[in-house]
Amino acid sequence: DIVLTQSPALAVSLGQRATISCKTNQNVDYYGNSYMHWYQQKPGQQPKLLIYLASNLASGIPARFSGRGSGTDFTLTIDPVEADDTATYYCQQSRNLPWTFGGGTKLELK
Amino acid sequence: EVKLLESGGGLVQPGGSLRLSCAASGFTFADFYMSWIRQSPGKAPEWLSFIRNKANSYTTEYNPSVKGRFTISRDDTQNVLYLQMNTLRAEDTAIYYCAKHEQAAPFAYWGQGTLVTVSS
Repeated sequence: DIVLTQSPALAVSLGQRATISCKTNQNVDYYGNSYMHWYQQKPGQQPKLLIYLASNLASGIPARFSGRGSGTDFTLTIDPVEADDTATYYCQQSRNLPWTFGGGTKLELK
Repeated sequence: EVKLLESGGGLVQPGGSLRLSCAASGFTFADFYMSWIRQSPGKAPEWLSFIRNKANSYTTEYNPSVKGRFTISRDDTQNVLYLQMNTLRAEDTAIYYCAKHEQAAPFAYWGQGTLVTVSS
């Protein structure tokens, strides 16, 4: 299985930049695409897709969110951070079965 | 508007069975792959299974963690996705979500989830 590793928590100040990382133990690139996606989950809600294929903004997601990376190293950036962004963020790969998620990064405000 | 509504969760004893349903609307159900994903309390989501569309012969894939115990199926005439869960264990306790997606695409739409509790 492809293992995705995220830092458990991150604290940032309102208006600052948050950078959340996701590292995989295998390359998730295939024919020019990186099969890495990012989700936001708030308590009591289902996950919501933010970024797909490493850097593409999902429909309805504000441009404050962006993603980059390839191979085994990926980042989700939120700039500037707003109060409503406090949530847990998960990365997920769909390069190989079984599709797997990272352990999540809980974003908190300082 | 895409809607996915899971049902069928509840309390079940260890070793028991349960069948979950996911009613879909707002899109052409038959055209899409459908997945089941679960999330145990305080844990990351875990992809369980998907079923391909008719064009891809309704073939299925499973996470080894549930292969042989869980069976995914779909009824395109009723726009419903199913998950038959057998020989349930305490560690199967989780919220179970259905999701719509394309081949190796992300889970763009999720249902609200249904809670399954396995306990005596």
